[in-house]
Amino acid sequence: AQKVTQAQTEISVVEKEDVTLDCVYETRDTTYYLFWYKQPPSGELVFLIRRNSFDEQNEISGRYSWNFQKSTSSFNFTITASQVVDSAVYFCALSENTGNQFYFGTGTSLTVIP
Amino acid sequence: EPEVTQTPSHQVTQMGQEVILRCVPISNHLYFYWYRQILGQKVEFLVSFYNNEISEKSEIFDDQFSVERPDGSNFTLKIRSTKLEDSAMYFCASRPRQGMSTEAFFGQGTRLTVV
Repeated sequence: AQKVTQAQTEISVVEKEDVTLDCVYETRDTTYYLFWYKQPPSGELVFLIRRNSFDEQNEISGRYSWNFQKSTSSFNFTITASQVVDSAVYFCALSENTGNQFYFGTGTSLTVIP
Repeated sequence: EPEVTQTPSHQVTQMGQEVILRCVPISNHLYFYWYRQILGQKVEFLVSFYNNEISEKSEIFDDQFSVERPDGSNFTLKIRSTKLEDSAMYFCASRPRQGMSTEAFFGQGTRLTVV
């Protein structure tokens, strides 16, 4: 079974639109962390945000915000006023209390059209 | 800012050949990882390494794969006899300590093409 599901494979938005990337996770651990990584066309993986399972307070950091809801096992990521440079593949990842690996979703490819 | 560096950025090899992918993790980090990403697919865990030994490995990491930290700075992934299906982007990552709270810092990847 998939531990991290990103149902949106591709999204296109026009510059300055807001866009939300969905992530649903599955774990039996009560303590875990969730992450979002960005993979631009150059290929590297860039850490964006982290949230622990005990903190459901949603936050905003610049143009990024996230909505963590334990009740629905979702950790959605929103970019406001999107820019062309936001075009990338975005991966949601889970780190559990047991084990030390990251479980990645399949990624959502975001294209921001100028 | 410290970063994980990987060499080479792109490697082309013939099927059946051995290949070594190299990584220099961030200097004070203790946990090291290899992940791979087949083109267009998700990032998959291969192996984690701590205290000079493998701490966890996936089903993908079979006898053809090995890892080593030969000199305290480099961290290598060796594929003994490459297959076409080994073609992928290979990412090295490091973490400063154990624990799910710490993010992994990834290198820029090595694109391996097996022909």
